[in-house]
Amino acid sequence: DAGITQSPRYKITETGRQVTLMCHQTWSHSYMFWYRQDLGHGLRLIYYSAAADITDKGEVPDGYVVSRSKTENFPLTLESATRSQTSVYFCASLTSGGGTGELFFGEGSRLTVL
Amino acid sequence: QKEVEQNSGPLSVPEGAIASLNCTYSDRGSQSFFWYRQYSGKSPELIMFIYSNGDKEDGRFTAQLNKASQYVSLLIRDSQPSDSATYLCAVTPSSGSARQLTFGSGTQLTVLP
Repeated sequence: DAGITQSPRYKITETGRQVTLMCHQTWSHSYMFWYRQDLGHGLRLIYYSAAADITDKGEVPDGYVVSRSKTENFPLTLESATRSQTSVYFCASLTSGGGTGELFFGEGSRLTVL
Repeated sequence: QKEVEQNSGPLSVPEGAIASLNCTYSDRGSQSFFWYRQYSGKSPELIMFIYSNGDKEDGRFTAQLNKASQYVSLLIRDSQPSDSATYLCAVTPSSGSARQLTFGSGTQLTVLP
């Protein structure tokens, strides 16, 4: 089905472990984004990508790594998970290159770091 | 620090009433403004966008923008229980990438049957 899918939907891990959240879109949108959502903070941008092999930091990039070798995939890696990274993570893609485009979000990945 | 502020609520309105959701932003140069709706446990979805001062209507929804006051609002007429959700205001920055939306923390709306 066309759309944007995230995996896993739920993940429990321990402090210090590496975790990778996957994001795949079928639209071939150029721009993709990773947000985290925490109570009281709304959505905060972690990283975004304008195209394959082009990534840039957002508001809260520390502790996260991204890559984008193919247009359709944009994985987010927590190299050494911390409790403060417990959150709901949303991947999104943008329908057009301009600021007027619509963000389409995946279903979210709920990560708990013990 | 660029900020987007919303009353967290919860805001409760009776069915059929007008719900008014407000958002203020600190970046005077912001040009594009968006309202996203997020049902509990779900992902956000776009319901309205507005670029020019004034009102923009789409069905039961009206977005209002006042750039001089740095204020954007969303009115929902004839509110329905199905409108119960969290509403997120988002703006584009005046500097940096226009794709980097800044979101408010959202207002939780409950429409009472």
